[in-house]
Amino acid sequence: QVHLVESGGGVVQPGRSLRLSCAASGFTFTSFGLHWVRQAPGKGLEWMTFISYDGTNKYYADSVKGRFTISRDSSKNTLFLQMNTLRAEDTAVYYCARDFSYYFDTWGQGTLVTVSS
Amino acid sequence: EIVLTQSPATLSLSPGERATLSCRASQSVSSYLAWYQQKPGQAPRLLIFDASNRATGIPARFSGSGSGTDFTLTISSLEPEDFAVYYCQLRTNWPLTFGGGTKVEI
Repeated sequence: QVHLVESGGGVVQPGRSLRLSCAASGFTFTSFGLHWVRQAPGKGLEWMTFISYDGTNKYYADSVKGRFTISRDSSKNTLFLQMNTLRAEDTAVYYCARDFSYYFDTWGQGTLVTVSS
Repeated sequence: EIVLTQSPATLSLSPGERATLSCRASQSVSSYLAWYQQKPGQAPRLLIFDASNRATGIPARFSGSGSGTDFTLTISSLEPEDFAVYYCQLRTNWPLTFGGGTKVEI
């Protein structure tokens, strides 16, 4: 069974950093691209970033370009999101999702990031 | 960036009724559109991809149609578990974008 489990969320002060993880299981990790999608409280979905199956291609939303970095570790079947210079508007539930031709066919349960002083 | 506009924002219906949700793109996107369902406190679930193809395990009462700029998600007869928020999503280029959502409420 395909499973994605996010971790690493929490409360962080503006300007600080946080790293999210997404542990994958139930599928061949090195065969799939992966995404991060976020959802601010009471708001809609916002795509953040994508990494290809082999890590060679990465794309970012303008809102996080230069501040967030996506990476993956195939030895650990884990996806990461390094978030730097966090802002209040980055407060959201962050989901990792498996790529399906640039749609999202499997989602994790999400991890909440709150940026507040 | 192509903008997706969903309407209506809220759809008030009863179980057993037909639901028709709209998603309009600001320019033609061929058939590169998906629909997702999200219930409170849960992650979204893929329902339809490439405008009209049901994802694995999705009941036949969910159907998608359209191409170009106008797309429709139809739920033929609402079940109690279908009351949720529905999002459309575009995959033609980067950034990937979502519509603002339609809430289907009782």
